[in-house]
Amino acid sequence: QVQLQESGPGLVKPSETLSLTCTVSGDSISTSNWNWIRQPAGKGLEWIGLISTSGSSDYNPSLKSRVTMSVDTSKNQFSLRLSSVTAADTAVYYCARRVVVVVGATRYYHYAMDAWGQGTTVTVSS
Amino acid sequence: QSALTQSRSVSGSPGQSVTISCTGTSSDVGGYNSVSWYQQHPGKAPKLMIYDVSKRPSGVPDRFSGSKSDNTASLTISGLQAEDEADYFCCSYADYYFFVFGPGTKVTVL
Repeated sequence: QVQLQESGPGLVKPSETLSLTCTVSGDSISTSNWNWIRQPAGKGLEWIGLISTSGSSDYNPSLKSRVTMSVDTSKNQFSLRLSSVTAADTAVYYCARRVVVVVGATRYYHYAMDAWGQGTTVTVSS
Repeated sequence: QSALTQSRSVSGSPGQSVTISCTGTSSDVGGYNSVSWYQQHPGKAPKLMIYDVSKRPSGVPDRFSGSKSDNTASLTISGLQAEDEADYFCCSYADYYFFVFGPGTKVTVL
C-alpha cells in the first residue's frame, strides 16, 4: 500500500522560498505522476502542480511564475519550491498520486488523485 | 477563488439519500468526463470517492455514486451513515489546468 509523507519547514519568512519534499513508500515513484495541493485553514483545495518522472511538469497558471517541482527517482521523492511567499501562501500542503489504471501493458492516466499524504502545515510569517 | 460552484451544505437523516451538485462550464465539467469527488473529515487528508464522473475506486462503498449532465456534476450518497458526515469537494480537469476544485460542501447527518 502506497504511503506519501510530506516534510519541510513549518515556518517560512515572507519573500523567502518554501521548500517541501514528499517521500513515497510502498510503490515506485516511476509508476505515476505526482501532485502538490494546498488548503488554507477553513478553505478549499487548490492544485499547485504535477510532475512526472520524465521531468515534465504542469503548474497552476496562477502560481506558475513562483513554482518549481522536481523529482528524485533514486530517493523515491519529489519536491516543491514556491518562491516569494506571502501570508497568502500559509496553508496545509498535501502531496498526492495521480490515478493510473494498468490494462495489459498500457498505463492509463486519469484526472484524479488516489493517494494523499497526511499534509504538512506551512506558515508564512516573520 | 474556485472556478466550480457547490452548494454550501446539505443534510439528511441516517438512511436517507443526499445529492451534492458541482457546477462549472464547458471549459471544465461540461467539456470533459474527468470529474472526481473527494471526502475530507476534519484534520484529515482528502479521500478519493469518485473519478471519471462515475467510477468508484476499490474500497469505496457503492452507496456513493456520481453522474453528470451538461455543466453540472453530482455526487449522491444513498443510505446515509454517520461516518459520511464530512466535507466533499468536486474536482475537474479544465482548460489550461490539470485540476480545478470546487469550494466544498459540508454534509451533515442529522
